[in-house]
Amino acid sequence: AQKITQTQPGMFVQEKEAVTLDCTYDTSDQSYGLFWYKQPSSGEMIFLIYQGSYDEQNATEGRYSLNFQKARKSANLVISASQLGDSAMYFCAMREGPSNYGQNFVFGPGTRLSVLP
Amino acid sequence: DGGITQSPKYLFRKEGQNVTLSCEQNLNHDAMYWYRQDPGQGLRLIYYSQIVNDFQKGDIAEGYSVSREKKESFPLTVTSAQKNPTAFYLCASRTSESSYEQYFGPGTRLTVT
Repeated sequence: AQKITQTQPGMFVQEKEAVTLDCTYDTSDQSYGLFWYKQPSSGEMIFLIYQGSYDEQNATEGRYSLNFQKARKSANLVISASQLGDSAMYFCAMREGPSNYGQNFVFGPGTRLSVLP
Repeated sequence: DGGITQSPKYLFRKEGQNVTLSCEQNLNHDAMYWYRQDPGQGLRLIYYSQIVNDFQKGDIAEGYSVSREKKESFPLTVTSAQKNPTAFYLCASRTSESSYEQYFGPGTRLTVT
């Protein structure tokens, strides 16, 4: 079974508008971490935002926020005020287990975001 | 500057040849990882190492081998036993005390013909 599901292979958004990229996960661990990465066409992986399973508040980093709904096992990424430079692949990832123990990271298949001028 | 280097950026080999991809980090990170990425897909874990002289297989280790003789270095050898070696290979590292992310290198694009 897929541990990370990203149901949107591709998304389009108008410049300056907000967009939500979906991510659902599957784990039986109580302690885990959720990550979002951006991959431009150059191939590098850029860390965007992190949410721990015990964090009570949704994570935010500048224009990025993570809508964490633990009971639904979803960790959607919200990008506000989209910019042309946001066009890239976006990957949701999960670390199973506590941070100082679990070393297994699982990545979703990704969503390709295209920002339109 | 601290970071992860992978060399070369592009690598071409003939089928049947072993090839070694380099990964070096000066971040003093304990853990290092190798991932494979095929076009339009996510990352799949090949091998990871939490400490020197120790490493574990990931989901797709067949046809690959690694070594971890130094904390800074985690080379990946793609052997002739790997059926479809053409792919983008990403190396990453992480400090064991951090809740946070893995740091990634720029990647090596391997083409085998």
